[in-house]
Amino acid sequence: DTAVSQTPKYLVTQMGNDKSIKCEQNLGHDTMYWYKQDSKKFLKIMFSYNNKELIINETVPNRFSPKSPDKAHLNLHINSLELGDSAVYFCASSPTGRGGNQPQHFGDGTRLSIL
Amino acid sequence: QKEVEQNSGPLSVPEGAIASLNCTYSDRVSQSFFWYRQYSGKSPELIMSIYSNGDKEDGRFTAQLNKASQYVSLLIRDSQPSDSATYLCAVNMANTGFQKLVFGTGTRLLVSP
Repeated sequence: DTAVSQTPKYLVTQMGNDKSIKCEQNLGHDTMYWYKQDSKKFLKIMFSYNNKELIINETVPNRFSPKSPDKAHLNLHINSLELGDSAVYFCASSPTGRGGNQPQHFGDGTRLSIL
Repeated sequence: QKEVEQNSGPLSVPEGAIASLNCTYSDRVSQSFFWYRQYSGKSPELIMSIYSNGDKEDGRFTAQLNKASQYVSLLIRDSQPSDSATYLCAVNMANTGFQKLVFGTGTRLLVSP
């Protein structure tokens, strides 16, 4: 039983294409997150949603559009992919986004490679 | 100045030794701090959290927090080769009621048999 699952695990595509990554959590958590980990392993928050509502949007290009159809799902759509988008994208969830003491559980990541 | 700073390492220790990992942060009002372990090619895994000044122990792991010095550390006692991984320090830097974790670049730990 995977708690936070992401698909696909690997994504190889050409520059300029549009792609989506899906994330689902079965932990009953209210809050979900998208992170980007670059080639230097720096992990940075992109978005967070609490119960389908956008909470954090961290100066991410508007080519990236998250969508949360319900609190168990948070998808990430990327338009016009660029070489700099190559990274590992992690989805995470926490019981609630409120308060600072929330452990975040990460999915296995989606490795995106732009050719 | 980076918001959360860690020495990238690698930090090399022999098996059985104590590994000491350090982290400093810039936001004086931060209240909650986390250590995540990330094996190569895997996702980050929470191993410790700390919210109050002082020490917090969990098995072989001890987290230490000094808010006045804006410093948090992780000690791993009796280090094992299986502890070899990158350790990420994360600080909640939300200015709203919602959590926003800012991560350091991680310290790579190598434990030799």
